[in-house]
Amino acid sequence: GAGVSQSPSNKVTEKGKDVELRCDPISGHTALYWYRQSLGQGLEFLIYFQGNSAPDKSGLPSDRFSAERTGGSVSTLTIQRTQQEDSAVYLCASSLLGTRQETQYFGPGTRLLVL
Amino acid sequence: GESVGLHLPTLSVQEGDNSIINCAYSNSASDYFIWYKQESGKGPQFIIDIRSNMDKRQGQRVTVLLNKTVKHLSLQIAATQPGDSAVYFCADFPPSGGYQKVTFGTGTKLQVIP
Repeated sequence: GAGVSQSPSNKVTEKGKDVELRCDPISGHTALYWYRQSLGQGLEFLIYFQGNSAPDKSGLPSDRFSAERTGGSVSTLTIQRTQQEDSAVYLCASSLLGTRQETQYFGPGTRLLVL
Repeated sequence: GESVGLHLPTLSVQEGDNSIINCAYSNSASDYFIWYKQESGKGPQFIIDIRSNMDKRQGQRVTVLLNKTVKHLSLQIAATQPGDSAVYFCADFPPSGGYQKVTFGTGTKLQVIP
């Protein structure tokens, strides 16, 4: 595709339900990142995938959050037993090799509202 | 980047004027910086970057200034246009750190008055 795509664009769920957010990175990009953007806050790193390496999960805020990346392409971020404080915009980004010298391309985000 | 609470600072400028957006960072060891533009409903977009061995870098209509002494970045936009309306935020990288180590600022909202 022409850019990073994410789905759904908006998600409203009830507290306690599980949600899955999807990211389709740019074709050929080996690095994929998930971030969370809460109202009035800077982007918060969640998880990083690079090729076939073990993902860097150091940013996941709790064990309710998990992510996988299948076939080195599409990624799914899962939030179990959602809480109201999980409400935020979840952004996915990809880059070719995962180095700081290259541009990181962001998707439009999924706006999650937990009621 | 710094945290400024729930309400983004807003800068309103007249179309055609120059805009200056500021950012303070906290890690004195940060050696690489990026400015992003985020339009409503979209993901952040790279604008310009600068390394710590420089104090100024120019792009097309944009200039970034870095003052390491006071840990301050600024983004200057010349001849501001309505399409420049967006939230702008900075990001700083620790030495040898990748994107997973970046600290992102909360941003400034730029409103361009036609």
